[in-house]
Amino acid sequence: GNSVTQMEGPVTLSEEAFLTINCTYTATGYPSLFWYVQYPGEGLQLLLKATKADDKGSNKGFEATYRKETTSFHLEKGSVQVSDSAVYFCALSDGGANSKLTFGKGITLSVRP
Amino acid sequence: DADVTQTPRNRITKTGKRIMLECSQTKGHDRMYWYRQDPGLGLRLIYYSFDVKDINKGEISDGYSVSRQAQAKFSLSLESAIPNQTALYFCATSASGRSTDTQYFGPGTRLTVL
Repeated sequence: GNSVTQMEGPVTLSEEAFLTINCTYTATGYPSLFWYVQYPGEGLQLLLKATKADDKGSNKGFEATYRKETTSFHLEKGSVQVSDSAVYFCALSDGGANSKLTFGKGITLSVRP
Repeated sequence: DADVTQTPRNRITKTGKRIMLECSQTKGHDRMYWYRQDPGLGLRLIYYSFDVKDINKGEISDGYSVSRQAQAKFSLSLESAIPNQTALYFCATSASGRSTDTQYFGPGTRLTVL
């Protein structure tokens, strides 16, 4: 079956540090890949997505590239801010008319001033 | 106003009680989902509905039931709540079945079963 594996957390960084959050996946076919973010006390919201190999999703300074050869979709940001403190979830959708999302366990990012 | 709303936002109940969590959406989406979030486990799908007449079990449906009262409303029931159902519950919606379609989440209901 499908699965998403995220690096263990939590992660604590200083403001303006470089961020990488690793995500690898197992899926049949050609999944679409997503990063969702959950700010404190809120529901999840889509951060970025990529639908095919070598696509790069980007939003709010975050980027992730769909790497089929390594089955990865790592999230990066060059300079984090305190407002980026949140829980980040990697997810995949396996495609087709009845596709559903499979989520990783999530990782908590804390950015200190 | 929020596009996906959940009521109640917080609920404390006792073992054996029946409880219903409600979800409403104004996005006009056909598809609705219920997830639970537990620390260290991510989000797990409980039930989903692709239209008003369609109900499907997710990976952890035991102990739960759902009702799709209208396109805009999807409720989750715990017939006899137990402490390991203490979790954060999210409703979500999406427009269609394309794998690229975004799911939109409500703010969550924090349920505690004593």
